[in-house]
Amino acid sequence: DVKVTQSSRYLVKRTGEKVFLECVQDMDHENMFWYRQDPGLGLRLIYFSYDVKMKEKGDIPEGYSVSREKKERFSLILESASTNQTSMYLCAIRSRSGGLNEQFFGPGTRLTVL
Amino acid sequence: SQKIEQNSEALNIQEGKTATLTCNYTNYSPAYLQWYRQDPGRGPVFLLLIRENEKEKRKERLKVTFDTTLKQSLFHITASQPADSATYLCALDDQAGTALIFGKGTTLSVSS
Repeated sequence: DVKVTQSSRYLVKRTGEKVFLECVQDMDHENMFWYRQDPGLGLRLIYFSYDVKMKEKGDIPEGYSVSREKKERFSLILESASTNQTSMYLCAIRSRSGGLNEQFFGPGTRLTVL
Repeated sequence: SQKIEQNSEALNIQEGKTATLTCNYTNYSPAYLQWYRQDPGRGPVFLLLIRENEKEKRKERLKVTFDTTLKQSLFHITASQPADSATYLCALDDQAGTALIFGKGTTLSVSS
């Protein structure tokens, strides 16, 4: 079974703090994604990466950055957390080879910024 | 840009009935469409994928149809059970084929 783990299930931070959310996969998948999910807005893509050190902006990258130094690890960074970044953050992976088109999601991190 | 819509935010049905959820899309002709289930506080879980040349796909009590002329997919759960209560998301590839675009989801509640 594919396993995607996220560093925390719940996180509470203060405005202005630098926040790191980490995602780790146990497969050799190339593509990794960060989404945020908010009521009424659905899942929105923040950033994705299709290989080590490669990254692409999604629909809402403002206020976020990412890092992918190793294939299995994709980090989302909130440079200076703000209250409007309170949300559920979901990491996902996907393989580009072998016809595997579905995405596998991690359990999510519920981030609250006070 | 592509747009994907699930036209019901919520659907309430009685146990044993068939639930039918709708997904419509515009400005795009995807090669396939996917359906996911999401439970509260959890990440979405993949259920089914249907390709453009497939009219219908089944998996146990689940059935998905894909009408590329209407630009619509229907997701059916037959003999529904309270355990089927969840939010169901449809998704399709963006035009670059790298990321999925998700609908906002339909929350299904099955009462016993």
